[in-house]
Parts: sequence; C-alpha cells; structure tokens
Amino acid sequence: AQSVAQPEDQVNVAEGNPLTVKCTYSVSGNPYLFWYVQYPNRGLQFLLKYITGDNLVKGSYGFEAEFNKSQTSFHLKKPSALVSDSALYFCAVRGPGGYQKVTFGTGTKLQVIP
Amino acid sequence: EPEVTQTPSHQVTQMGQEVILRCVPISNHLYFYWYRQILGQKVEFLVSFYNNEISEKSEIFDDQFSVERPDGSNFTLKIRSTKLEDSAMYFCASSKAGGPRETQYFGPGTRLLVL
Repeated sequence: AQSVAQPEDQVNVAEGNPLTVKCTYSVSGNPYLFWYVQYPNRGLQFLLKYITGDNLVKGSYGFEAEFNKSQTSFHLKKPSALVSDSALYFCAVRGPGGYQKVTFGTGTKLQVIP
Repeated sequence: EPEVTQTPSHQVTQMGQEVILRCVPISNHLYFYWYRQILGQKVEFLVSFYNNEISEKSEIFDDQFSVERPDGSNFTLKIRSTKLEDSAMYFCASSKAGGPRETQYFGPGTRLLVL
C-alpha cells in the first residue's frame, strides 16, 4: 500500500521568507511524487512532480521540491514566500505498479503573513 | 491552457435521490478519474476509467456509484440513492495516459450536499 504523510496541519511564514512544506511517503518500489495546491473554493492545481533524475524538481509559481530517497521525503520549498501563496498544499504519490490512483496526504495549510 | 471542467459547481439533494455529476476532461486525454474530499478530510480516490471501462476502483466506489462516458466529451458520476455521508466535494481528473508518471489534471469540483 502507498501512503503519504504531511506532519504539519499549518505552516506560517512571513512574506519574503523561505518556506518549506514537509512530506514523507511510503511506497513499494520507485515512487512518483506530486504536489498540488488548492485555493479556497477551487480545484486542485498541479505544481510539480518527481519521476526520476535530478532530486531537485522545479515547478510552477517559483516552487521547487527536493526528493530524498534515504529519508523518503519530498519537501516543497520556495525561496521567498508571497501572500498569494497562502493556500492548502497536498503531497501525493503513485507507485510503480499498474495502479491508477493517486494517494494524497491530509494537506498543509500555508499562511503567508504580510 | 486546456482545463477539466465540471458541472454543476454546487448541488443540493435529498437523501435517497439520484444525482449525476458531470465532467468534461481535457480533450486529448484518455484516462478519467473521480475523487472526493469530505469536508476537512483528504482527497480520496474513487474510480479510474479507460476505453469505456472501469480500470480501478476503491472500496468507497460501491454499487451505488456508476460512471459513464455517454459521448465523446462528457464523463459522468452517478450516485443512485444518495446518503448523508455522500456529502463532499467531488473532483474529476484526466490524464493523457495511465502510467504512474502521468500527471492527473483536476477540475474545480462539484460540492454535493445531501440533506
């Protein structure tokens, strides 16, 4: 079975400061990892994914994520937070098998304080 | 940029009634999905659909649920006899292919309230 853990329900960061949203995963075999963002009353928007190769993945809106196999982590980062980054962030995983489903974490609410 | 669209955005129904949620996936995508998010909880997979067949479903997707691609553009989720616990946000998603590397793109969701 595959699973994702997001240990923080909420992360608060001052505007202009770097942000990190944490994610760890569990899957058999090589993982395929995703970050999605959900703004209020909106759907899930794809930010970035890790498939293979470089452990640092760059995505939309200046976000990046670092894959760490030994720590089974895929933390989302941004060098300088904007107030408009305030939203709910979901980490997700798919395993290497033929399963279609994406398994999501519980989400982390990011609050960027002006 | 092409998007997944869903209608209606909100639906209120009485317990025991049938509801049909509609989705228009991205036009060149071949795999379609439904997920749901009960308020305050995480997004849960319901079903995936390819080549006019269900390819995978979760334990949530019981006999009360069905999916259909009635024409070349729409993808629907039907709940035959709604229960209070079916109240949730329902997300449709689509992807070009079905492998684990593929990104699933999500629609804005339909908020279903069962009274």
